[in-house]
Formats: sequence, C-alpha cells, structure tokens
Amino acid sequence: EEQLVESGGGVVRPGGSLRLSCVASGFNLNDNGMSWVRQAPGKGLEWVANINWNGGSTNYADSVKGRFTILRDNAKNSLFLQMSNLGAEDTASYHCAREGLFGYFDVWGRGTLVTVSS
Amino acid sequence: SYELTQPPSVSVSPGQTATIPCSGDNLGQKYVSWYQQKPGQSPITLIYQHSSRPSGIPGRFSGSTSGNTATLTISATQALDEADYFCQAWDINTKVFGGGTRLTVL
Repeated sequence: EEQLVESGGGVVRPGGSLRLSCVASGFNLNDNGMSWVRQAPGKGLEWVANINWNGGSTNYADSVKGRFTILRDNAKNSLFLQMSNLGAEDTASYHCAREGLFGYFDVWGRGTLVTVSS
Repeated sequence: SYELTQPPSVSVSPGQTATIPCSGDNLGQKYVSWYQQKPGQSPITLIYQHSSRPSGIPGRFSGSTSGNTATLTISATQALDEADYFCQAWDINTKVFGGGTRLTVL
C-alpha cells in the first residue's frame, strides 16, 4: 500500500522554526514530484510548496516564500519542510502529498499539526 | 495570484443530483482536480484532468470544465457523500485550491 506519514509537528513560539518530515512507503519517492499542503483549523486547503523528482526545482506559495524551504532525500524516501519565522497564520495541519501527472495529488498523508502560540 | 471560487455550501436530497461549481479565469485551459474530505480525514482524489476518475472512485462522481467554470456532479447522492469538496487547478508552477464547498444531504 502506498503511504505517506508526516512527523515533526508541535507547538512553537512566534518567530520560531520547525522541520517537518514525510516518509513514503509502498513506492519510490524519486519517481514523483511532491508537495506540502496545509489546512488551518476549520479552514480550507492551501498549497504550500512543491519540489520536482530530483530536487532541482522548487516552488512556493507567496504566503511562505522566503520563510519555508522544501527538501527531499530520495535515498531515504523522505520529504522535508523547513519552516522559519513562524507566525500564528502558519498554525495548521501540514500534509505531504504525491503529485500525479496533470498537476493533481494522488496520495495524501494524514498530516502533522503545527501550532504557533506564545 | 490565481484564485478559484466555490460556493460555501450546497444542499441536496438523497437520490438527487448535486452540482458543485468552481470558477476561475481561463479555468478550461488548466488542469482541474476535485477532492472530497470528511471530518478528521485526509482528502481523497475524486477527479483529475477535468473528468478522469482514479480507480476505486464510484461512477456517480463526474467532472467537467467549460470556459471559466468547472463542475463536480454527484449523481444519486447518498448520505455518505456529505463532506467538504475542493477544486484545485495547476497554474503555471503553483497549485491553487478553491475555498471548498460543504455538501449537505438533507
């Protein structure tokens, strides 16, 4: 079964940093582009960032550009999101998602919750 | 930045057809996908490339796009279809989601 499992969420103070991880099983991560998608409590889905199959190309939502970095380690079948200068608006459940052809997400993780609070 | 607009809520009677619209500039020129999300669960993919269904998704779910509007259609709606539905488009190098529509089956 193809699965994605996120970890690394928690409570962080405003201005702090956090690194999220996502481990893939049941498929080779290096066959696909990958994204992070977040969902604030009670709100909709927001695409955060994506990375192509070899890490050579990355893209970010305007809301996180310059503060978040998406990374991957294909040898470890893992995806990461390095987050810095966090604010209350970054409080959300963060999901990693595999990108299929045609720009959609075909496998989703269950998410890891990040809470930014003093 | 690119935006997709969905109605916050749609209601439908069991057995009837529900339609959920999603609008955006030149949406017909972009790849459109649809996702279903139930409380406490991760989204699942219903439709990709405007009208294609992943394996395992019932044929009751269908998608279409014309001009600036994409539409998710749910035929013979069941109580278990009550959920949030999100459209999503691929715009240049970014992915954009609509605000979501809560489907209520009355």
